Amino acid sequence: DGGITQSPKYLFRKEGQNVTLSCEQNLNHDAMYWYRQDPGQGLRLIYYSQIVNDFQKGDIAEGYSVSREKKESFPLTVTSAQKNPTAFYLCASRVTDTQYFGPGTRLTVL
Amino acid sequence: GQQLNQSPQSMFIQEGEDVSMNCTSSSIFNTWLWYKQDPGEGPVLLIALYKAGELTSNGRLTAQFGITRKDSFLNISASIPSDVGIYFCAGQTSGGSNYKLTFGKGTLLTVNP
Repeated sequence: DGGITQSPKYLFRKEGQNVTLSCEQNLNHDAMYWYRQDPGQGLRLIYYSQIVNDFQKGDIAEGYSVSREKKESFPLTVTSAQKNPTAFYLCASRVTDTQYFGPGTRLTVL
Repeated sequence: GQQLNQSPQSMFIQEGEDVSMNCTSSSIFNTWLWYKQDPGEGPVLLIALYKAGELTSNGRLTAQFGITRKDSFLNISASIPSDVGIYFCAGQTSGGSNYKLTFGKGTLLTVNP
């Protein structure tokens, strides 16, 4: 069954703690993306990676970090430097000009 | 980052009615994508448009890539309750190593049975 998986679905963390969100795809796509979604706003790009071992900052990269050691995996770390981390996080992968999204992780920082 | 102008923001319709929503941009895009998102889920791709003037259907959904490459619309015919959700347009610029989507803020569709 091909697709994009994100885990966990819901994540709670205390303020000041770093947290890593998982994103895995078995679609053999080279490019992967992380977005943040807040109520009433469109999706905003955090980081993207066009190929293994390479990634670029998106529009709102401050307070986040990523790695791309394997084609299938693109984990996102939300660091304590992110001022307002509570949000819905979406991972996507791309083939040619089309992006496909995972089911999302809702992060709540208490 | 740039935002697309998506309208309307929300729609309340009766089951069986047709629906139309659109997106406009000041920039040219090479691709237009339409997604539907249910609460707490990731967006699901509905229709992808790759050429100016292209008109594509997917069941009761029809979308068009504007001739100017700065706009697109999505129509839903004979709406049903499961059409409820948020519909997003997204325009993509491409070329070189830059493939980034710009999203509209979404249209919230409510269908009354």
